[in-house]
Amino acid sequence: DIQLTQSPSFLSASVRDTVTITCRASQGISSYLAWYQQKPGKAPKLLIYAASTLQSGVPLRFSGSGSGTEFTLTISSLQPEDFATYYCQQLNRYPLTFGPGTKVDIK
Amino acid sequence: EVQLLESGGGLVQPGGSLRLSCAASGFSFSTYAMSWVRQAPGKGLEWVSGISGSGDTTFHIDSVKGRFSISRDNSKNTLYLQLNSLRAEDTAIYYCAKDMRGFDVFDYWGQGSQVTVSS
Repeated sequence: DIQLTQSPSFLSASVRDTVTITCRASQGISSYLAWYQQKPGKAPKLLIYAASTLQSGVPLRFSGSGSGTEFTLTISSLQPEDFATYYCQQLNRYPLTFGPGTKVDIK
Repeated sequence: EVQLLESGGGLVQPGGSLRLSCAASGFSFSTYAMSWVRQAPGKGLEWVSGISGSGDTTFHIDSVKGRFSISRDNSKNTLYLQLNSLRAEDTAIYYCAKDMRGFDVFDYWGQGSQVTVSS
């Protein structure tokens, strides 16, 4: 199975900060990576797929990059509604796997 | 509007069974692959099972193979997950999720169904 790691696990930031989350895959997955946002008690929400394609309706302050084994999710000018947990997911090979998550909290 | 509504969760003893259902609406159900994703208390997301639009192809993670079975009834726009021989470690919220066409990512999710395995 393809393992995904995320760093950091926890991130404390302020409104209007720019934050970057990294996702690393245990083997090359080309650009077959997605990012989700999950708020407490809610289902995850798709933000980005194919490593850098923004899902419809997602604000432009979210961006993704990377290929192969290293990927990043960047949130520019963090807004109050962005405080949540973020997960990466690989879709290169079955079984589909998720990273352990990065919690973004208010400083 | 796409809607996914899960039902069938509950409290079950170890070794017991449950069947989860996910009623779909707002899209052409039979043309999309579907999946079940679970989340144990305080933990991350885990993809459990997936099924093609026709239902001909299914996938299960190793830890549930032989115990869980994903299926669908396209005439009823409903996805199912049969959970047998349940273990404490299967305790989780189970989400049904719609695959985005062409990508094994999930663009719509249900609200989740709680499954608790405990004596």
